[in-house]
Amino acid sequence: DAGVIQSPRHEVTEMGQEVTLRCKPISGHNSLFWYRQTMMRGLELLIYFNNNVPIDDSGMPEDRFSAKMPNASFSTLKIQPSEPRDSAVYFCASSRGRGTNEKLFFGSGTQLSVL
Amino acid sequence: QKEVEQNSGPLSVPEGAIASLNCTYSDRVSQSFFWYRQYSGKSPELIMSIYSNGDKEDGRFTAQLNKASQYVSLLIRDSQPSDSATYLCAVNPGRGSTLGRLYFGRGTQLTVWP
Repeated sequence: DAGVIQSPRHEVTEMGQEVTLRCKPISGHNSLFWYRQTMMRGLELLIYFNNNVPIDDSGMPEDRFSAKMPNASFSTLKIQPSEPRDSAVYFCASSRGRGTNEKLFFGSGTQLSVL
Repeated sequence: QKEVEQNSGPLSVPEGAIASLNCTYSDRVSQSFFWYRQYSGKSPELIMSIYSNGDKEDGRFTAQLNKASQYVSLLIRDSQPSDSATYLCAVNPGRGSTLGRLYFGRGTQLTVWP
């Protein structure tokens, strides 16, 4: 099993540019999560999909952030326009479903730096 | 607000000692609990899960859960320098719109010195 695959591993961009982060969940997993991690705020859930449908997007900071899951094997998180305060590590994670005991598996993350 | 609180540390123990990591949570009907280990610059890795009151042992790791006190802990016996990492406590409330999602604590940084 290849695990959760994220790309790119590192992204450096200038303020105002569009950033797209990509994620491929573990095959057979029906739930997908986008988290952001910073020193100040720790690990924050941005959005949560189940069967490709957004279940909870209350953590999306503002309209500059959007996420899609067009099929069971692919999701994107887009920031447009990007700002320096968006600099963080963005993790994608997946689990089998919405059960009580579901275990979350993380990708390697994308280190985003907005200059 | 579903909060998960951990002592941020850092916690420093000598090699061979027992490291004790603690976590409290606010949602009293939470169903399942997890400990993740995160090495610097890496992603969180699941190391333990516990769903019932009591102790659960896996090698050098023991997770302890007390739902009445809303408390979960992780003990690492015979600590090794390779255990040096940040340990994240995570809670699944297990109902409604939150079903399936995890709430994470800020993590406790552990250093095991030789």
